[in-house]
Amino acid sequence: GIQVEQSPPDLILQEGANSTLRCNFSDSVNNLQWFHQNPWGQLINLFYIPSGTKQNGRLSATTVATERYSLLYISSSQTTDSGVYFCAVEEYGGSQGNLIFGKGTKLSVKP
Amino acid sequence: DTAVSQTPKYLVTQMGNDKSIKCEQNLGHDTMYWYKQDSKKFLKIMFSYNNKELIINETVPNRFSPKSPDKAHLNLHINSLELGDSAVYFCASSQGSGSQPQHFGDGTRLSIL
Repeated sequence: GIQVEQSPPDLILQEGANSTLRCNFSDSVNNLQWFHQNPWGQLINLFYIPSGTKQNGRLSATTVATERYSLLYISSSQTTDSGVYFCAVEEYGGSQGNLIFGKGTKLSVKP
Repeated sequence: DTAVSQTPKYLVTQMGNDKSIKCEQNLGHDTMYWYKQDSKKFLKIMFSYNNKELIINETVPNRFSPKSPDKAHLNLHINSLELGDSAVYFCASSQGSGSQPQHFGDGTRLSIL
């Protein structure tokens, strides 16, 4: 089955810094989603981005499907950005809606 | 106006018991899912239903049985609970069974004593 690898596994930032999180996947995908799990455990859908670039406030994401990777950019980080960021993909030809999750990047933003 | 709501939020019970977790969504979606997040935060899909019909049934013990009375509800019943069932269980929903954004509930933390 498809492999989803996220890097880095851990990231510590000072408030105000920018960061880039990466998601590599081993095969073609139908869709790719980025999620943020906050310190209270809630999973928030940040982007549905099978290809191209999207922006939402200080966050933006880019997926280059032909090269099998996606990037999540966080600018001017805030302490509320802390948590775990997950990339999840739906394998091309796989069961529709079957999201395969990476192991996540744990982000800690210090004041 | 919670979009995807799960009950209970916490569930502490003894090994061997039977328990249920309920999920409801008011987003008008027709596909719902159950995911399990283990102690290392790894998320894995268990089941999905589209319009009350089972679509995805991953390798999950028969002790787990999902039930969808209508497209807005997907419940999870677990028989003969084991220590390894301790985890956080998330319900999610999306519009259509194809490639669409999935929206998650707040999770149910199940602890087996």
